[in-house]
Amino acid sequence: DQQVKQNSPSLSVQEGRISILNCDYTNSMFDYFLWYKKYPAEGPTFLISISSIKDKNEDGRFTVFLNKSAKHLSLHIVPSQPGDSAVYFCAAPKSGGGADGLTFGKGTHLIIQP
Amino acid sequence: EAGVTQFPSHSVIEKGQTVTLRCDPISGHDNLYWYRRVMGKEIKFLLHFVKESKQDESGMPNNRFLAERTGGTYSTLKVQPAELEDSGVYFCASSLQDGPVAFFGQGTRLTVV
Repeated sequence: DQQVKQNSPSLSVQEGRISILNCDYTNSMFDYFLWYKKYPAEGPTFLISISSIKDKNEDGRFTVFLNKSAKHLSLHIVPSQPGDSAVYFCAAPKSGGGADGLTFGKGTHLIIQP
Repeated sequence: EAGVTQFPSHSVIEKGQTVTLRCDPISGHDNLYWYRRVMGKEIKFLLHFVKESKQDESGMPNNRFLAERTGGTYSTLKVQPAELEDSGVYFCASSLQDGPVAFFGQGTRLTVV
């Protein structure tokens, strides 16, 4: 029973364009969401997060949008750069906010084409 | 500031043997987590320590896995005896007292043959 779903295993985007990575969740208890980026042979690196009291959070080229009614969030990267090529994971603390362990999606492999 | 460090980075063992993985969290982080990623699948939660206490071990696969965090500093994860399906990358992460943002180590790739 996957509570966090990333339905696109991979996504190819041209350099300079916008990358949009999607994530859906089923657990209504989730009220905080995180995006992690992972390069091969490295651990996941925290990228950006959003609390359920917001619908948008922006950090430089990265923006996360949250639609609570649809149980959907998305990560926008503008403009996309070659160094953005990585696997992106959506995650949520198991029982809502706080320091609980994270439930991850399966990840989306983003490939930025020159 | 040093990040989360894990030892070894790779381990190849035979089925039936024992392996111990080690994690050193970021200094001052009370929360320590173990996760596992089996090839191509999602990163799955195994357990959560708060200081030296097991807060949540609901993700531990079975009693062949034993995690400890003596003194609330570093942690070890022992697999005994190892089975083929235990192969994967084991990640350790740590976080501050209240924060959900966890910082991950580089992982230990375990291969059981």
